[in-house]
Amino acid sequence: GQQVMQIPQYQHVQEGEDFTTYCNSSTTLSNIQWYKQRPGGHPVFLIQLVKSGEVKKQKRLTFQFGEAKKNSSLHITATQTTDVGTYFCARATSSGGYQKVTFGTGTKLQVIP
Amino acid sequence: NAGVTQTPKFQVLKTGQSMTLQCAQDMNHEYMSWYRQDPGMGLRLIHYSVGAGITDQGEVPNGYNVSRSTTEDFPLRLLSAAPSQTSVYFCASSWGSTGPKGSPLHFGNGTRLTVT
Repeated sequence: GQQVMQIPQYQHVQEGEDFTTYCNSSTTLSNIQWYKQRPGGHPVFLIQLVKSGEVKKQKRLTFQFGEAKKNSSLHITATQTTDVGTYFCARATSSGGYQKVTFGTGTKLQVIP
Repeated sequence: NAGVTQTPKFQVLKTGQSMTLQCAQDMNHEYMSWYRQDPGMGLRLIHYSVGAGITDQGEVPNGYNVSRSTTEDFPLRLLSAAPSQTSVYFCASSWGSTGPKGSPLHFGNGTRLTVT
């Protein structure tokens, strides 16, 4: 199937260190969405990338979409304890105006104070 | 504005019992979907709907039924619960999409289901 693979599965970092999670697809993606899920919570939409080579920033978070639109990354600079959670990438596929969203397996981030 | 509301929050079933997980949204979203979340497996799509009267299967539809009689509601039915269905279930909704740009999903708070 057209799966989206995400690595690493887990990451422990000291507070203040940087963190990166990667999302890879064997097929070209129309878009990539990123979500964050806090422990015990539900996923919350962060951002969507659509264009080849696109880079977007949200404060300490930098999102990139690969030139070939087959991979994406989320980089957090100087992690804080508030960054703890699981980060998911997702692809939205459309057909005739309909949308289906499938998720990567997620990267669980632990930040050690 | 309630957003996406799921009930119940917790449920324990015995093998073979049936139940319905409720999901309602008040954002007039066309697209609604159900996911299950298991450790190390991420979020897997069970069923989705692109409008009232229209549903389709996701990645893991077996053992689950859905229907969409109104725009607001999208219940998920377990006809004969099995221990393998122990999971956290999330309902999500969004606008439909055209072209390459998808619509962000809005999630409910989840239902934690245990089947013994």
